[in-house]
Amino acid sequence: DGGITQSPKYLFRKEGQNVTLSCEQNLNHDAMYWYRQDPGQGLRLIYYSQIVNDFQKGDIAEGYSVSREKKESFPLTVTSAQKNPTAFYLCASSRRNSGNTIYFGEGSWLTVV
Amino acid sequence: ILNVEQSPQSLHVQEGDSTNFTCSFPSSNFYALHWYRWETAKSPEALFVMTLNGDEKKKGRISATLNTKEGYSYLYIKGSQPEDSATYLCAFYNAGNNRKLIWGLGTSLAVNP
Repeated sequence: DGGITQSPKYLFRKEGQNVTLSCEQNLNHDAMYWYRQDPGQGLRLIYYSQIVNDFQKGDIAEGYSVSREKKESFPLTVTSAQKNPTAFYLCASSRRNSGNTIYFGEGSWLTVV
Repeated sequence: ILNVEQSPQSLHVQEGDSTNFTCSFPSSNFYALHWYRWETAKSPEALFVMTLNGDEKKKGRISATLNTKEGYSYLYIKGSQPEDSATYLCAFYNAGNNRKLIWGLGTSLAVNP
């Protein structure tokens, strides 16, 4: 089945540690995205990539890093510089840009302990 | 400031009731308007991507209309069923130089059997 796979689904991190969330898609989509959701807020864009080896900061990129070495993979690293990392993270992809239908993974819950 | 507003915030209806929600968005620099359904513990799922003023789209018992001149879209559900219980998100994609997808906070629908 075509889709987006995020892992892990649940992750606990100690303060001061970096953690990487995986996102893989087999939809042959050019564009991939990382969103963060917090209670009472809409989806906020962290980073996006429209082509391999290129990515752009979204609205809340501070404390995060990404890479796009392969078309199907867009991992997100939550660094120790992210002040409030506990949140729900969604990875998504689309054919070209956000004017096209967005397809989402099932999300990853990150808790800092 | 680009803002997307959805109303109502939440809604409880009885099985068989028809219902509708509103998404308000900026009326300038319009490119596309997205609707998604997000059921608990699942990925957000695309319902419609609408681009033309006056457009109406339908998927089973769910339909949507679009008015780009006044900046609103309605989502209708005819004969609500318990399986329609979900959060319904809309997102506006602007056509300006700084293209971005801006998400509303969603309308949470609960359908009581």
